[in-house]
Amino acid sequence: DAGVTQSPTHLIKTRGQQVTLRCSPKSGHDTVSWYQQALGQGPQFIFQYYEEEERQRGNFPDRFSGHQFPNYSSELNVNALLLGDSALYLCASSLDGAGRTRRGTQYFGPGTRLLVL
Amino acid sequence: AQKITQTQPGMFVQEKEAVTLDCTYDTSDPSYGLFWYKQPSSGEMIFLIYQGSYDQQNATEGRYSLNFQKARKSANLVISASQLGDSAMYFCAMREVYNNNDMRFGAGTRLTVKP
Repeated sequence: DAGVTQSPTHLIKTRGQQVTLRCSPKSGHDTVSWYQQALGQGPQFIFQYYEEEERQRGNFPDRFSGHQFPNYSSELNVNALLLGDSALYLCASSLDGAGRTRRGTQYFGPGTRLLVL
Repeated sequence: AQKITQTQPGMFVQEKEAVTLDCTYDTSDPSYGLFWYKQPSSGEMIFLIYQGSYDQQNATEGRYSLNFQKARKSANLVISASQLGDSAMYFCAMREVYNNNDMRFGAGTRLTVKP
């Protein structure tokens, strides 16, 4: 049973560039959430995708956008990169409809470490 | 506003002993879920244990148990018989049923198990 996978594992970009991160959910899951984790902090919710639409969004600017494909995989795009975007980006998948019950538990991928110079 | 509070930035425990990691939360939603995750230095968040707000009994998963005190709004994680591999960051998180779909995390507690 494949878990959540993310690519790439590491990425180095310069300010102003654009980046795309990818995520494949755990088998059987249909919902993907993205989080940003700065060094020494807990993860911060960016947005969640279900049925190929953004369902919920955290307090992140429009430079952060995403997409979900029919096979439930997802992409996170960040435009006009800033130094402050350097962080670990985590993708989590879950099964929708289970809400905040145990069935709705989010399972995380290994993350993508982004460094902006 | 911060809804999850973990007051212990760091904790030390002797191998084979038990340790409690504290977590308090704030919500007006009557229905919610509480989660604990472990994050080793590799970065991956590993799901440990879940507690629903209407669950009558405290959750247990192997060496992990959750001391859920609803009136106090606390959900402390207890790790029994600590192992060296338990050394990691531990995060408490909450999702509300009616409010929104995001998971709110605390700032985490770094646990170090001493041999």
